[in-house]
Amino acid sequence: GDSVTQMEGPVTLSEEAFLTINCTYTATGYPSLFWYVQYPGEGLQLLLKATKADDKGSNKGFEATYRKETTSFHLEKGSVQVSDSAVYFCARFSGGGADGLTFGKGTHLIIQP
Amino acid sequence: GAGVSQSPSNKVTEKGKDVELRCDPISGHTALYWYRQSLGQGLEFLIYFQGNSAPDKSGLPSDRFSAERTGGSVSTLTIQRTQQEDSAVYLCASSPSGGAGQTQYFGPGTRLLVL
Repeated sequence: GDSVTQMEGPVTLSEEAFLTINCTYTATGYPSLFWYVQYPGEGLQLLLKATKADDKGSNKGFEATYRKETTSFHLEKGSVQVSDSAVYFCARFSGGGADGLTFGKGTHLIIQP
Repeated sequence: GAGVSQSPSNKVTEKGKDVELRCDPISGHTALYWYRQSLGQGLEFLIYFQGNSAPDKSGLPSDRFSAERTGGSVSTLTIQRTQQEDSAVYLCASSPSGGAGQTQYFGPGTRLLVL
């Protein structure tokens, strides 16, 4: 079935470091791709999304590009802040049927001052 | 406007009891989703409603789980004869019409603990 694979971490970085969280997905159909974030003590919220190949989603300094040739949707940020500490989930969704989002296992990101 | 709301926020129950979890989606959203978040399994999709209909219930973990939605709005997830492995956070999400590119908006979840 459909699946999403992401690095699980925890990933620990210093403030202002460059961040990459890898995400790959199974290529069944033409899914939309999402990054959701869960800050400590808060609910899941959308960070960014891309709905077709070569689209780039961006928000709060984070970016991810939908790469069909490598079935990837890696999350990047040029300079992380302590406030970016959270759990990040990559997800795919085909819609139109009876399925929901398929999530990766989540990556716990810890930013140290 | 108001987001997705869920109740109760926390529920502690004894093994073998039935529990009912409620989700109130964003007004006007026809698509509603239930997920479960647990340490061992991560985030799992359970069931999807389009209006009041659930086309496929195969994502529910066992026949002790059931869900309904009435009036195209509020949904309830019922777990009968709860087991300790049912302990998890149950999340509800809604989207405008269930299209592939639409954002799903999540509620705060119900944290269920089965003793």
